[in-house]
Amino acid sequence: EDQVTQSPEALRLQEGESSSLNCSYTVSGLRGLFWYRQDPGKGPEFLFTLYSAGEEKEKERLKATLTKKESFLHITAPKPEDSATYLCAVQPRTGSASKIIFGSGTRLSIRP
Amino acid sequence: DARVTQTPRHKVTEMGQEVTMRCQPILGHNTVFWYRQTMMQGLELLAYFRNRAPLDDSGMPKDRFSAEMPDATLATLKIQPSEPRDSAVYFCASDLEANGPGELFFGEGSRLTVL
Repeated sequence: EDQVTQSPEALRLQEGESSSLNCSYTVSGLRGLFWYRQDPGKGPEFLFTLYSAGEEKEKERLKATLTKKESFLHITAPKPEDSATYLCAVQPRTGSASKIIFGSGTRLSIRP
Repeated sequence: DARVTQTPRHKVTEMGQEVTMRCQPILGHNTVFWYRQTMMQGLELLAYFRNRAPLDDSGMPKDRFSAEMPDATLATLKIQPSEPRDSAVYFCASDLEANGPGELFFGEGSRLTVL
């Protein structure tokens, strides 16, 4: 069964304290892996797409990396405005062409 | 500023009542998704459409839920009869298939409370 697991569930950091969020996945072939950010009371907002192991994408203080079994979202010198829930999602290669499966997310809190 | 619009934003209803949620996808997007989000289950895919045709609704309880796209500018999700376990935030998202997989644009959600 296709599955996405994110860890930790919650992470509290001091402003400027770098860390990483983990997304491990089990899929029958990977079409793409995606990271989203979700603020309270809002819908998820797309951040990155990764297609193959070894690929990296960067946006401001965020960098996403991908291996054959997991992805990491590295956050460097975070600021309070980076506080949000970060969701990982995968699109399996088999099955319905647009089916996207989300993990349960990591709630990131950055203290000033 | 193109965005997905969902109505209502909040709905409180009593068990047994019919609930209809509406979504206006981004103009030109040809794929529309309905997701449900709860603390326990996270984001669950209920159904999705491409070019207004339903492609997959296997995540949806068929006995009480129905999803339609009467035209390219409107998607609806209906629950009849509603139950307390349906309480959740329902998100609509749209996508342009030509953009490649996974870059979904979400609305702000409809928060449903069934008493």
